[in-house]
Amino acid sequence: DAGVTQSPTHLIKTRGQQVTLRCSPKSGHDTVSWYQQALGQGPQFIFQYYEEEERQRGNFPDRFSGHQFPNYSSELNVNALLLGDSALYLCASSFENRASYEQYFGPGTRLTVT
Amino acid sequence: GQNIDQPTEMTATEGAIVQINCTYQTSGFNGLFWYQQHAGEAPTFLSYNVLDGLEEKGRFSSFLSRSKGYSYLLLKELQMKDSASYLCAVTPGGGSWGKLQFGAGTQVVVTP
Repeated sequence: DAGVTQSPTHLIKTRGQQVTLRCSPKSGHDTVSWYQQALGQGPQFIFQYYEEEERQRGNFPDRFSGHQFPNYSSELNVNALLLGDSALYLCASSFENRASYEQYFGPGTRLTVT
Repeated sequence: GQNIDQPTEMTATEGAIVQINCTYQTSGFNGLFWYQQHAGEAPTFLSYNVLDGLEEKGRFSSFLSRSKGYSYLLLKELQMKDSASYLCAVTPGGGSWGKLQFGAGTQVVVTP
């Protein structure tokens, strides 16, 4: 049973560029959430996708956008990259109707903006 | 406001017990998670508390007091592999299922 997978593992971009990160949820999961984790900090919620729509959003600017596909996989897009966007981006998946609402995290994408 | 506080770092000896406290003040509350995160890796689920009281899972136990906005994670018989960051996270109430609000994490260092 494959867990949550993310690609790429590492990415280096220049300020002002755009980036797309990808996530495949754990088998059987239908909900995908994205988090940003700065060094030494806890993950910060960016947004959540369910049934191909953004259902909740954290305190992140519109430069951060996403998409969920019919197979439940998801993309995170960040436009006009800033140095402060350098972080570990984590994808987490869950099953909407599961009582515990436990989220399974992927290994993350380490984004460095120079 | 939203505030989740936990100590920055704790050091303990192999075989000992360590208790990591977490206090929270959030606009809503439905449950509290504890995750373990080794350096450079994804957070992994340890426990989920909804009701007041103690939940025990092997060497790890988690306690919740909803009225006090307080939780702790108890790690017993510490092993070197327990050296990691421990994250406390709250799920708000209402329609915010799955939106985890994390504390900054507590770095536990286990020494021989």
